[in-house]
Amino acid sequence: EVQLVQSGAEVKKPGESLKISCKSSGYRFTSNWIGWVRQKPGKGLEWMGIIFPGDSDTRYSPSFQGQVTISVDKSISTAYLQWSSLKASDTAMYYCARQWGTFIRGLPLVYMDVWGKGTTVTVSS
Amino acid sequence: EIVLTQSPGTLSLSPGERATLSCRASQSVSSSYLAWYQQKPGQAPRLLIYDASSRATGIPDRFSGSGSGTDFTLTISRLEPEDFAVYYCQQYGSSLLNFGGGTKVEIK
Repeated sequence: EVQLVQSGAEVKKPGESLKISCKSSGYRFTSNWIGWVRQKPGKGLEWMGIIFPGDSDTRYSPSFQGQVTISVDKSISTAYLQWSSLKASDTAMYYCARQWGTFIRGLPLVYMDVWGKGTTVTVSS
Repeated sequence: EIVLTQSPGTLSLSPGERATLSCRASQSVSSSYLAWYQQKPGQAPRLLIYDASSRATGIPDRFSGSGSGTDFTLTISRLEPEDFAVYYCQQYGSSLLNFGGGTKVEIK
């Protein structure tokens, strides 16, 4: 069974750093892109970016480029989402999801077929 | 950037009724690379439909997707109590794999 297990809820202060994780099991980790999605309280889904664990090729939404870092550790089948300096506006639920689809002319054409349960991040002074 | 507009924002229906949800793209979605997701309160989204009309594993056949180009539709033929939720479309035919704003299907 494919599973993505995300790390627990976090409460942080503005300006602090944070790294949340998403551990995959039940499939070959290096064969599928992994993506991250933000959902602010009471709002819709926002696509943040994706990474290919095989070679760490990473694509970001322009809205999140430079604001977060997506990475992986292949040795433990885990993807990460990282902030160097959190803001109150980063308060949200963050989901990771395995991607499925194809790769054509350098473009990952992938949808999210299996999701983690989410990690709540609260940033407050 | 392809902008996805979902309508209506809220759909009020009774169990057993048919639900028709729309997702309109600001430009043509390449090769019908469009997915639909269902999200219930307090839960992660779940994939329903991919490639505009293919049902994901385990999804009941009362859910169907159709459309191409800029106009896509998710139809729930007969609403079951567990279908009341928020539904999102997502296009993945470009470099920015963005979502629509969602349609809430609520009990009338």
